[in-house]
Amino acid sequence: AQSVTQLGSHVSVSEGALVLLRCNYSSSVPPYLFWYVQYPNQGLQLLLKYTSAATLVKGINGFEAEFKKSETSFHLTKPSAHMSDAAEYFCAVTWYSSASKIIFGSGTRLSIRP
Amino acid sequence: KAGVTQTPRYLIKTRGQQVTLSCSPISGHRSVSWYQQTPGQGLQFLFEYFSETQRNKGNFPGRFSGRQFSNSRSEMNVSTLELGDSALYLCASSLEGGAGTDTQYFGPGTRLTVL
Repeated sequence: AQSVTQLGSHVSVSEGALVLLRCNYSSSVPPYLFWYVQYPNQGLQLLLKYTSAATLVKGINGFEAEFKKSETSFHLTKPSAHMSDAAEYFCAVTWYSSASKIIFGSGTRLSIRP
Repeated sequence: KAGVTQTPRYLIKTRGQQVTLSCSPISGHRSVSWYQQTPGQGLQFLFEYFSETQRNKGNFPGRFSGRQFSNSRSEMNVSTLELGDSALYLCASSLEGGAGTDTQYFGPGTRLTVL
């Protein structure tokens, strides 16, 4: 079955430190890949998405992710964490043309230490 | 441009009752999708509507249903509520619903509690 795995349900980094959130998907067939962020009591906001145009994808708020087919990974990074980055992050994948039929990872809660 | 709105934001029901949730998409968006978010199962796709027709459906029982109106507003209905239906229900809208071309915009969700 197609799936997406996020390693680490909770990641804590210091303010100014590198943020690395890990995501792996299950198929060797290149999918569409997404990272979403969810702040408390809010819906999801798209950070970035991979659609096969470029392997390094830049998103909002200084985040970027690199698609690595050989590793079936799509890790999310940010060079310097801000307190405002504290939220839950979801990796999502679809092999379909419809954006709605996406499979979400279980989420990673990012905490920022002052 | 106004974002995706969902009403009500919070709802408390008892087992056996039914509930209707409403979603108003961003103006001009024709695709509306619904998702259920729970601590145990995470985010799961319920269904998608496009031009008043259900276009895609997730793996949920028939107690979960939906519809879309001509103005693209959508409702979802859950009948015979069970305790396990307690969740945050998220609605998302996009222009046409294409994964590669569109962006889904999510509403703030409706928090349903079943007692």
